[in-house]
Amino acid sequence: AQSVTQLDSQVPVFEEAPVELRCNYSSSVSVYLFWYVQYPNQGLQLLLKYLSGSTLVKGINGFEAEFNKSQTSFHLRKPSVHISDTAEYFCAVSDSSGGYQKVTFGTGTKLQVIP
Amino acid sequence: DTGVSQDPRHKITKRGQNVTFRCDPISEHNRLYWYRQTLGQGPEFLTYFQNEAQLEKSRLLSDRFSAERPKGSFSTLEIQRTEQGDSAMYLCASRADRSNSPLHFGNGTRLTVT
Repeated sequence: AQSVTQLDSQVPVFEEAPVELRCNYSSSVSVYLFWYVQYPNQGLQLLLKYLSGSTLVKGINGFEAEFNKSQTSFHLRKPSVHISDTAEYFCAVSDSSGGYQKVTFGTGTKLQVIP
Repeated sequence: DTGVSQDPRHKITKRGQNVTFRCDPISEHNRLYWYRQTLGQGPEFLTYFQNEAQLEKSRLLSDRFSAERPKGSFSTLEIQRTEQGDSAMYLCASRADRSNSPLHFGNGTRLTVT
């Protein structure tokens, strides 16, 4: 079984400030990790993914995330946020062992960028 | 790549009625997933298709729920005898057959049961 914990349900941050959204996962097998963003009344859009290789992954809109296997974490960061980054962010885990690869999501973190 | 399409975007129905939602995945994707999302929660897995075969169903999917993907292309999710607790956003996603391919989501169908 796999699970994802997003420790912060809401994160307020001032515009142009840095932000980190935390994600920890649990799995008994090797995993792929994803961050998705959801704007109001829309589906989820892929921000970035970790499959293998370099532990620092860069995504769209200036976001990046770092995979830390020892801490089972995959925190999302952005050095300077914009108003348009206001959205809900979901961390997700998928096992990499083949089969149908169920994707499990965290409960989400609402990022509120304050002008 | 026209994206994943879901219809309708919104559905309001009275308790006890049946509803059906449709999902058209990205054309070359043979894997299709249904998720349910309630307020303040992440998407919860409901069911998975590989081509026309339904290979996995969540315990969340009660007997009132049924999903089909008759020709391995579009999929439908039907809820019979709707209850107020069924009110949620129903999300469809598809992915390519490569083991590391990400999910591509539609914009969802928001169901309100009154």
